[in-house]
Amino acid sequence: EAEVAQSPRYKITEKSQAVAFWCDPISGHATLYWYRQILGQGPELLVQFQDESVVDDSQLPKDRFSAERLKGVDSTLKIQPAELGDSAMYLCASSWRAGMNEQYFGPGTRLTVT
Amino acid sequence: AQKITQTQPGMFVQEKEAVTLDCTYDTSDPSYGLFWYKQPSSGEMIFLIYQGSYDQQNATEGRYSLNFQKARKSANLVISASQLGDSAMYFCAMRALSGGSNYKLTFGKGTLLTVNP
Repeated sequence: EAEVAQSPRYKITEKSQAVAFWCDPISGHATLYWYRQILGQGPELLVQFQDESVVDDSQLPKDRFSAERLKGVDSTLKIQPAELGDSAMYLCASSWRAGMNEQYFGPGTRLTVT
Repeated sequence: AQKITQTQPGMFVQEKEAVTLDCTYDTSDPSYGLFWYKQPSSGEMIFLIYQGSYDQQNATEGRYSLNFQKARKSANLVISASQLGDSAMYFCAMRALSGGSNYKLTFGKGTLLTVNP
């Protein structure tokens, strides 16, 4: 069964360092989402791609976060510099197209900033 | 704007019994979809069930059913015959079906379900 892949699964970094997360959606899925989930909360959308284009990044802290999906397939989310408050689970999801009911989630990357 | 409220931070149920997880929502979108996801301790979000706002019948998927009461803006998840493997966080979520919000999911804070043997 096809799955959304994410790496790394766990990341520990020091404050002010740069960190990057990678996501490979299910093959053929045009829409890709990055969510951040703070402990004890539900996921919150950071950025949504349709193919290689960003369609929603209204909740992305653009002074330190960046996201790209250059070829419309896999995607990278970067934080530079990391802050203590960035400690969270970062979840990637994909769907065949934006209007599809089901978003398939990856296993997530758990980030700890020390 | 969309809002999901899950008022039960934690729930306990005995194995083989049924349990209801509460979810209320608020939205100005005329058509919308409601979702339930399960998140085990390993972290991945597992899709369980979907209900469209114009669906006439409540959705069911195996042991999961969604008790949709549109007038009360509630979308409770019912799990029948609970199993030990059902112990996890459960999230209610919604999104517009009209495309005005780019189809993003809005999640509640979740309910931690513990199934006791």
